[in-house]
Amino acid sequence: GENVEQHPSTLSVQEGDSAVIKCTYSDSASNYFPWYKQELGKGPQLIIDIRSNVGEKKDQRIAVTLNKTAKHFSLHITETQPEDSAVYFCAASIAGANNLFFGTGTRLTVIP
Amino acid sequence: SAVISQKPSRDICQRGTSLTIQCQVDSQVTMMFWYRQQPGQSLTLIATANQGSEATYESGFVIDKFPISRPNLTFSTLTVSNMSPEDSSIYLCSALISGANVLTFGAGSRLTVL
Repeated sequence: GENVEQHPSTLSVQEGDSAVIKCTYSDSASNYFPWYKQELGKGPQLIIDIRSNVGEKKDQRIAVTLNKTAKHFSLHITETQPEDSAVYFCAASIAGANNLFFGTGTRLTVIP
Repeated sequence: SAVISQKPSRDICQRGTSLTIQCQVDSQVTMMFWYRQQPGQSLTLIATANQGSEATYESGFVIDKFPISRPNLTFSTLTVSNMSPEDSSIYLCSALISGANVLTFGAGSRLTVL
């Protein structure tokens, strides 16, 4: 089955700086890569996703890049704000949003 | 956007007892899933809840321990049977909403087994 690795496990940045979280996957057939944000006491919430037919997608301060050859994808958050503090999970799937394999999570702390 | 409601939101249970978690989606759903999130860990798929038939379980999870029902398109239950402290986790209901091919999660049910 798919194996998703995520780094770093914790990340602290100053408010206004950028944050980058990286994930690698093992199954070259994977074609869907979502990112979820989980705040304390809440369920994961989808913040952005990318499919294998594109290399980059951006939504305001959040962007995701995908390198299919190297089998890795990254989440970029610019101009970080304290409300960005949360745990972020990457995931991969060969069947769209069905049967997602999740990374181990990154706890992001934005220091005011 | 779709809202997935789970209850209970948290519970403290005694070893050897069972607890049933309910999940209700307020939108049309194509598929429903149950995940487990152990303390400080990632999300692991337990099973796909199939409407009107037996759930499809992932490796390491069995029906006797985690019976699942899905009597209609938008409602499902997960039971954690004969609980032990190792079952202490957050159990998350999720669904693929019709017309939107993204996985949406409920807020989770935090279970503590003493």
